[in-house]
Amino acid sequence: DTEVTQTPKHLVMGMTNKKSLKCEQHMGHRAMYWYKQKAKKPPELMFVYSYEKLSINESVPSRFSPECPNSSLLNLHLHALQPEDSALYLCASTGHPNPNEQFFGPGTRLTVL
Amino acid sequence: GIQVEQSPPDLILQEGANSTLRCNFSDSVNNLQWFHQNPWGQLINLFYIPSGTKQNGRLSATTVATERYSLLYISSSQTTDSGVYFCAVDNYGQNFVFGPGTRLSVLP
Repeated sequence: DTEVTQTPKHLVMGMTNKKSLKCEQHMGHRAMYWYKQKAKKPPELMFVYSYEKLSINESVPSRFSPECPNSSLLNLHLHALQPEDSALYLCASTGHPNPNEQFFGPGTRLTVL
Repeated sequence: GIQVEQSPPDLILQEGANSTLRCNFSDSVNNLQWFHQNPWGQLINLFYIPSGTKQNGRLSATTVATERYSLLYISSSQTTDSGVYFCAVDNYGQNFVFGPGTRLSVLP
């Protein structure tokens, strides 16, 4: 099973709201990733978790707060976002059969009003 | 950091035509993947190909790591092949860098 799931599929939130994005994989992968993708642009890496520890934070503003409660689950907590944060948020994981091969979830399309 | 370029940026084909997409990268890599992003945003794995040649149906890919490029071949294109094709590389870190993509439109 090479499936990464993400919920919700769509999210609309105001600038004062707090919301969370969820990502789950059951492939036994030990690294999980959050990416942000703006329209007509490639995905850009935000965070990497390796063995449930944050290993890369690509200078992401603190209004984005990642969390990895266990090896299968990755959350992205959102607070006080700006309209320019509207984008497609993609989750990915790596592990096997190829250690560096990334598998992506379907994404959450976020709109900040 | 590593730079990734893709060409052409846009490509319009008639159904049934063949095409070659190119990815150039600026440093040695331990991972190279080709993805197809469909209109709903899903990134579909096409090939994991840090070196060598692979084929999967109408698609094939070749990576020449020593010369720092990879090619994706699409034969007998279909309208369902439309979308954006991304090349992405990892050069021995966990920082996976995407190229800008090739936007493909296949016309019936």
